Amino acid sequence: DQQVKQNSPSLSVQEGRISILNCDYTNSMFDYFLWYKKYPAEGPTFLISISSIKDKNEDGRFTVFLNKSAKHLSLHIVPSQPGDSAVYFCAASVGGTSYGKLTFGQGTILTVHP
Amino acid sequence: DAGVIQSPRHEVTEMGQEVTLRCKPISGHDYLFWYRQTMMRGLELLIYFNNNVPIDDSGMPEDRFSAKMPNASFSTLKIQPSEPRDSAVYFCASSTMGIQETQYFGPGTRLLVL
Repeated sequence: DQQVKQNSPSLSVQEGRISILNCDYTNSMFDYFLWYKKYPAEGPTFLISISSIKDKNEDGRFTVFLNKSAKHLSLHIVPSQPGDSAVYFCAASVGGTSYGKLTFGQGTILTVHP
Repeated sequence: DAGVIQSPRHEVTEMGQEVTLRCKPISGHDYLFWYRQTMMRGLELLIYFNNNVPIDDSGMPEDRFSAKMPNASFSTLKIQPSEPRDSAVYFCASSTMGIQETQYFGPGTRLLVL
C-alpha cells in the first residue's frame, strides 16, 4: 500500500519558468513532510520540509505548500534552473521533527531545459 | 568528513548467491538507516538502528534479508539467497538525534541479480 504517491514520473520545464512537483498521501497521521533531491549516482539530499501546522514554507527559490484537507503537498521552484534537473522525492512521517519513520514517494524526474 | 561510505558501488550476481552490502556512517551519528529504491515503490525504509541496536525492521521484505551493526562505524545488509526481484539501488543513511533533515545518504549500491 503506497501511502505517499507522486503520480507524475517526470516533468519537463523551460529554464526561468516555474516547476511544480506534486505529492499525495493517504495516512492522516502524517504530520511532517519533506522533499529530497537526488542527482544520478548520488544519494538523496534534504531540500525543504513543512510541519502540518503550517500550509507554506519558503526557502529561496523553493516553496512547499501543504493542503491537509486534500492530503496534498507541492513543491514550487521559481525560477527553475538547469541545475535543478534531478529526481525529487517527497516523504512523510508521524512524529514531528523528532525521528519518525520516513515514507517516501516514487520520485519525479525533473528536467529543466536551457 | 567523507560522508556516508557504501561498498561496493555496483554488484552483479547470480540468483541464489549471497550478497553483502556495507556501510560506514558519518562519525558521531547515532542513527543508521538502510533503504531500497525501485522504480515502482520509490525509496523504502528497510531497517534502522539507534546506537547499534535495531529499532524497526518492519520494512525488511523477508527472511532472506538481514542487517547487522556490530559497532558504531560499520553496518552490513545481507541477502541470502538473492533473487532477481532484489535488483535495486540500496542506500545507507546516517543521522544524529534522529531528526529527518539530518539524514545524510550514501551514494548507494546498485545491485543486479541475474
